Amino acid sequence: NAGVTQTPKFQVLKTGQSMTLQCAQDMNHEYMSWYRQDPGMGLRLIHYSVGAGITDQGEVPNGYNVSRSTTEDFPLRLLSAAPSQTSVYFCASSYSSGGEKLFFGSGTQLSVL
Amino acid sequence: GENVEQHPSTLSVQEGDSAVIKCTYSDSASNYFPWYKQELGKRPQLIIDIRSNVGEKKDQRIAVTLNKTAKHFSLHITETQPEDSAVYFCAASTPNDYKLSFGAGTTVTVRA
Repeated sequence: NAGVTQTPKFQVLKTGQSMTLQCAQDMNHEYMSWYRQDPGMGLRLIHYSVGAGITDQGEVPNGYNVSRSTTEDFPLRLLSAAPSQTSVYFCASSYSSGGEKLFFGSGTQLSVL
Repeated sequence: GENVEQHPSTLSVQEGDSAVIKCTYSDSASNYFPWYKQELGKRPQLIIDIRSNVGEKKDQRIAVTLNKTAKHFSLHITETQPEDSAVYFCAASTPNDYKLSFGAGTTVTVRA
């Protein structure tokens, strides 16, 4: 099993550009989520999904969209990138619908200039 | 929503000594409290978790204690080793909320 796979590992965008961060898991987990990690602020939840076709907002959803068309994939879309979105993004999945015992991907370092 | 505060933000200990990290939470309904370890440049990984119906849980050199009355929980690392150097995050969630709220993290450095 590959676990949780995120691509790309690094990305540089210009302000106003859009892009999609990819996340896939092969553990048949129903729960998937996206976090951003900023220095001194821990991990903050952006969006999460408890199953295919179901998504909901987390703590910091503005500027991001998600969809969950399959159990395996949970892409994160930046609609119009802003410097404030410079961060490390982690995708995570769990067999538990409550998001317990999260398995994290390796992260995407995003810089918005 | 749930608010989790974590202290200290940095902790330096001599190899072989113990390290203690404390977290407080705001929502008395919270019932799940995990701890994650993140080594430099790596992904966070779950090291131990506890539910509200348990007061203490141990796994080799690490242990977590929970005080529901005071709404705080702590991570204890005994006989620290250089490989314990990392950032540690506490978190909390409430039933049926589907959201895990993290503390800001503690950078632990084990001095040889």
